[in-house]
Amino acid sequence: DTEVTQTPKHLVMGMTNKKSLKCEQHMGHRAMYWYKQKAKKPPELMFVYSYEKLSINESVPSRFSPECPNSSLLNLHLHALQPEDSALYLCASSQEGLARGNTIYFGEGSWLTVV
Amino acid sequence: AQKVTQAQTEISVVEKEDVTLDCVYETRDTTYYLFWYKQPPSGELVFLIRRNSFDEQNEISGRYSWNFQKSTSSFNFTITASQVVDSAVYFCALSEARGGSEKLVFGKGTKLTVNP
Repeated sequence: DTEVTQTPKHLVMGMTNKKSLKCEQHMGHRAMYWYKQKAKKPPELMFVYSYEKLSINESVPSRFSPECPNSSLLNLHLHALQPEDSALYLCASSQEGLARGNTIYFGEGSWLTVV
Repeated sequence: AQKVTQAQTEISVVEKEDVTLDCVYETRDTTYYLFWYKQPPSGELVFLIRRNSFDEQNEISGRYSWNFQKSTSSFNFTITASQVVDSAVYFCALSEARGGSEKLVFGKGTKLTVNP
C-alpha cells in the first residue's frame, strides 16, 4: 500500500465549481509534487514544494492553485476548470528531492472529470 | 537534453511466458538516476527500482530483473514467468542530478497484458 494518500479518489465538478484535491504523507519527506496524467500519456510535472515552499511551477494555468499547509500535507485548489483539465492527478513525495538522488513515491491519484 | 524511449507501445503475452520491456535513455550528465514504475488500471504509480549511473550491477527481485548497460544507454526490465497480475503500464524514467532539476523524465510507457 502506498504511503502517500490522496482524496478524493474520484471527483466530478462543473466548470464553475471550486474544489480541492488533498494529499498526505507521513514518511517525513520534505519534497512534494503534483503531476497531471492524461489518458495513455506519461505523467507531467505541475508543481514542486520543497520544505513547504513552492520551488517549481511548470507554467500551470492559475485555475490550479497549490498549497502546502505543512510538511505532511499538499492541496491542489481547483477553480473554473475546463473539460480538457479532466485527468488523473497524482501527488508524490521524496525525502529531499530528485536533485539529491532521492526516489519519488506516488499516491493512488485522484480521477478528475470536469463537466 | 534528457530523453527516455520505450519503443514497445503494447505487449501481449500468455501467462508463464518471460517478457522484456525495453528502455533507452539519452542524457549529457554523468550522474543520473533511472527508475521503473508500474501503473495498474487503478492509477497508482508503483515504484519498482532506482539505479544510479555509477552502479551497473544487474538486479533481481523475485520474478523481476533489470539489465543496466551504459554502453548502449539501456535499462531493460524482464519479468520471468509472467502472471495476470503483472498486467499494467510500465514506465521507465530518468532524472539528472546536475542543476538541481526536480523533473522526472518519463518514457511513453509500455502496456503489458498477460493473458491467462
